[in-house]
Amino acid sequence: EDKVVQSPLSLVVHEGDTVTLNCSYEVTNFRSLLWYKQEKKAPTFLFMLTSSGIEKKSGRLSSILDKKELSSILNITATQTGDSAIYLCAVEGNAGNMLTFGGGTRLMVKP
Amino acid sequence: DVKVTQSSRYLVKRTGEKVFLECVQDMDHENMFWYRQDPGLGLRLIYFSYDVKMKEKGDIPEGYSVSREKKERFSLILESASTNQTSMYLCASSFGGGLANYGYTFGSGTRLTVV
Repeated sequence: EDKVVQSPLSLVVHEGDTVTLNCSYEVTNFRSLLWYKQEKKAPTFLFMLTSSGIEKKSGRLSSILDKKELSSILNITATQTGDSAIYLCAVEGNAGNMLTFGGGTRLMVKP
Repeated sequence: DVKVTQSSRYLVKRTGEKVFLECVQDMDHENMFWYRQDPGLGLRLIYFSYDVKMKEKGDIPEGYSVSREKKERFSLILESASTNQTSMYLCASSFGGGLANYGYTFGSGTRLTVV
């Protein structure tokens, strides 16, 4: 059974801080790892990482996939209150076309 | 823009009621999914469907059923609602040929409270 674990469960920081969110996985036949941001409603896509694209960056957000360690990190630099959200990590494994999600990390950024 | 629309944002139902949660997508996606989301447990897959009239159980199907009579619509049914089914329910869809480069598209969720 595929498994995805995220840490920490929750995090409180102040504006301007840098945060690192962690995701580790155990899947059969890894295909891709995805990060989503969920504010009050639908999760929105951030990054997809695959064997051929192990590092992605968009503005203050970046993510790296470590296939050897079976893990990924999501970094957010110079955090803003608008970064407050639940961050979800998901992995596509053997089943294909299907994602297994971690428990999420709830990030709160205080002014 | 792909849209996944869930019919209700908030619902309050009584124990024992039959509850229907509707999900409609407008991008001709083959795959549709129902998840429930609970604090600390993340998203857990209830049921999914790869095609019209096809359904597969996910990790926690007990107490739920689904219906997919048309490609764009995937309904989740709680046959007899119980308080432990109080949760946020998320619908998602994706292409049949793969996750493309963005994975799923999610609906905005239905927060169901069973009293």
